[in-house]
Amino acid sequence: DQQVKQNSPSLSVQEGRISILNCDYTNSMFDYFLWYKKYPAEGPTFLISISSIKDKNEDGRFTVFLNKSAKHLSLHIVPSQPGDSAVYFCAASAYKYIFGTGTRLKVLA
Amino acid sequence: GAGVSQSPRYKVAKRGQDVALRCDPISGHVSLFWYQQALGQGPEFLTYFQNEAQLDKSGLPSDRFFAERPEGSVSTLKIQRTQQEDSAVYLCASSLAHGAGLDEQYFGPGTRLTVT
Repeated sequence: DQQVKQNSPSLSVQEGRISILNCDYTNSMFDYFLWYKKYPAEGPTFLISISSIKDKNEDGRFTVFLNKSAKHLSLHIVPSQPGDSAVYFCAASAYKYIFGTGTRLKVLA
Repeated sequence: GAGVSQSPRYKVAKRGQDVALRCDPISGHVSLFWYQQALGQGPEFLTYFQNEAQLDKSGLPSDRFFAERPEGSVSTLKIQRTQQEDSAVYLCASSLAHGAGLDEQYFGPGTRLTVT
């Protein structure tokens, strides 16, 4: 049973436009969520996080939205840049991370 | 650099061989995690240490998998009698605090294990 789901395996966006990556979870007890970015042959690197007491967290071009009633979070990247091309994982934290399967983002120049 | 390092980066093993994967966490980090990432999947939790104590090994897929962190710093993940289904990238992560949910984990580059 997949507790954290990323239903879009891939996404292509034009440079300068908004990228929206989605994530759904099943366990309402999760109270902290993170987004990690992964380039080939490297480990995941932390991007942004959100606690369940908030519904939005912003850091520069990256914003994460949390909808607790829908058990849904999304990552917005605006404007998207070619260097953003990577695989993005959302994760729920219960001290250990429970990851989704990832979304491969390709930003086209 | 001062990040998490793992060795070897790549390992090819014949089925039935034993392998040992090493993780050097960030100095001073209390918590250490191992994850397994199969092709096309997200990382999946294997085990968790707080200092030298292994507090959670619920993700280890079988008793062929064994992890240790005897002095609370470097950790080794050992896989005995490797099988083809063990082929994956093994990621190590460390974090500063005592497994607190709000604490960011820093990942190493991973060891890609291929069992032939």
